[in-house]
Amino acid sequence: EAAVTQSPRSKVAVTGGKVTLSCHQTNNHDYMYWYRQDTGHGLRLIHYSYVADSTEKGDIPDGYKASRPSQENFSLILELASLSQTAVYFCASSDRTGDQDTQYFGPGTRLLVL
Amino acid sequence: QQQVRQSPQSLTVWEGETAILNCSYEDSTFDYFPWYWQFPRESPALLIAIRPVSNKKEDGRFTIFFNKREKKLSLHITDSQPGDSATYFCAASPMLSGSFNKLTFGAGTRLAVCP
Repeated sequence: EAAVTQSPRSKVAVTGGKVTLSCHQTNNHDYMYWYRQDTGHGLRLIHYSYVADSTEKGDIPDGYKASRPSQENFSLILELASLSQTAVYFCASSDRTGDQDTQYFGPGTRLLVL
Repeated sequence: QQQVRQSPQSLTVWEGETAILNCSYEDSTFDYFPWYWQFPRESPALLIAIRPVSNKKEDGRFTIFFNKREKKLSLHITDSQPGDSATYFCAASPMLSGSFNKLTFGAGTRLAVCP
């Protein structure tokens, strides 16, 4: 089973500060994703990557940057954190086998911006 | 614009009953529909998925029924158990060969199964 880990698991940040969320996967997956989850909105895609040193914008990229320095690592950066970025952030990686494309999620990071 | 809609937002059933969770979509290019479930304080995990080559996909007590003409699908959970209590997300994407498959998630249905 895929192993996706995230750090930190929770964080309190101040408005205007910089926040970096880290994700590491050990299953040699090409695709990695960052989602945020808010009550009533399900999961929304922020950024994704299909190869090291390349990232792509998802549906809600404003206010976020991403970095994929290696196949295993994918970071999400909030340069100037804002109150509206308080949420749970999930990293995922995916493995496409035949007709199924399974995304494996990390445990999540609870971010509170004050 | 919400491309994947789920109903109801929350659902309560008794143990042993069949729970029916509904999903609809707008984009006609979608042809891969996974359902993920998420237990409280845990991360989402794939439960079951369907491609429209068939109208039905079964996995134990979980069955997806798919209606391509109406762009609707539903997840039926028979003989519901308290351990099935979770939030269920319907998702959709085009399934392009050799290409990135961006999943669009619905807002979820929170299911509670009472013993």
